[in-house]
Amino acid sequence: DTAVSQTPKYLVTQMGNDKSIKCEQNLGHDTMYWYKQDSKKFLKIMFSYNNKELIINETVPNRFSPKSPDKAHLNLHINSLELGDSAVYFCATGDSLGVSGNTIYFGEGSWLTVV
Amino acid sequence: AQSVTQLGSHVSVSEGALVLLRCNYSSSVPPYLFWYVQYPNQGLQLLLKYTTGATLVKGINGFEAEFKKSETSFHLTKPSAHMSDAAEYFCAVSGNNDMRFGAGTRLTVKP
Repeated sequence: DTAVSQTPKYLVTQMGNDKSIKCEQNLGHDTMYWYKQDSKKFLKIMFSYNNKELIINETVPNRFSPKSPDKAHLNLHINSLELGDSAVYFCATGDSLGVSGNTIYFGEGSWLTVV
Repeated sequence: AQSVTQLGSHVSVSEGALVLLRCNYSSSVPPYLFWYVQYPNQGLQLLLKYTTGATLVKGINGFEAEFKKSETSFHLTKPSAHMSDAAEYFCAVSGNNDMRFGAGTRLTVKP
């Protein structure tokens, strides 16, 4: 039973399309994140949600919109996809936002390719 | 702001040799430090973490790391590399709201 599951794992789409990546966690954690990993493996945080409330919104184009319908889900919607959006997107969860030392648990990643 | 720097984007060792992956941190408060491993086409898996207490931390798969405040370092070691250790390794520091990662070090293990 996967703790943090993302769908789809692979996604190939054309420029200009709108796509969503879904994430679900069954760990009961309060906090969920989206990270982007580029082709050089660099990991950058995009968003952080705590109990469905947006906490962190890094410098990310507003074409990216996270949605948290409940504490167990954090979806990522991307409008008007661009070539530069090609990357691996990781959903992650952690408990007790605000408590340092918080371990973050990652999903398997969603490989997005924009052509 | 807290950050980590990983020295060496690529490390290559022979099977059975010592593995040493370097990480230095920058933090104005006592840091909470982590090492994660990423195997090809997979997510990140926690290897070990340092919060407080013992400065030598043991993790999974025979890895360990030592927190050295005087050197602002948290290097990852393993006495004897195995072929299955080939992966990308990330050092990270935890703040109140998120976790910040280093650029990663790719470990290659030669037969």
